[in-house]
Amino acid sequence: SQKIEQNSEALNIQEGKTATLTCNYTNYSPAYLQWYRQDPGRGPVFLLLIRENEKEKRKERLKVTFDTTLKQSLFHITASQPADSATYLCALDRGSGTYKYIFGTGTRLKVLA
Amino acid sequence: SQTIHQWPATLVQPVGSPLSLECTVEGTSNPNLYWYRQAAGRGLQLLFYSVGIGQISSEVPQNLSASRPQDRQFILSSKKLLLSDSGFYLCAWRVLAGGPRETQYFGPGTRLLVL
Repeated sequence: SQKIEQNSEALNIQEGKTATLTCNYTNYSPAYLQWYRQDPGRGPVFLLLIRENEKEKRKERLKVTFDTTLKQSLFHITASQPADSATYLCALDRGSGTYKYIFGTGTRLKVLA
Repeated sequence: SQTIHQWPATLVQPVGSPLSLECTVEGTSNPNLYWYRQAAGRGLQLLFYSVGIGQISSEVPQNLSASRPQDRQFILSSKKLLLSDSGFYLCAWRVLAGGPRETQYFGPGTRLLVL
């Protein structure tokens, strides 16, 4: 069955450093992948979408890569700030234009001042 | 601009009691609507998906049901709650035109505790 894995352990990094989060998937080939940010007690907020034919996508301090051979996406936050502390979720489409998604459990990031 | 509302924000219910959670969207027409549940330490689980009034697909067999009586209203219900129904319930909508069609926009969520 389709499966997504994100590092369930929290990631602590120092302010100003680059945070790198990983999303691995198995048993299917999504046409695109999305990253969302979720703060405690709030709904997820969309950050970036990357398609299967794109290697990299950037938005301000955020960068996402998508390696369909490795079945992996990396999410980078450069010059991280304490305000970046949150849980980051990756989501993949189930395919066939269904617009239904599978979400990972998320990785909690804490940026230390 | 588009806005999504959910209520109540928090709910504590006894086992066996009924449930009704409401979600409404403003500022868009004919959105695709979703109900998700997020249990502690688990990812978002898609419960129901709707492409229009009265058109709902159920993703997970369970004691929950959903209805869409109006274009921008999505309701999640249960006749008898189970302890396992506790969680954070999120409603989301997807734009069909004027932006990336793949992106979902989530509501503020309802935290449900079944005792």
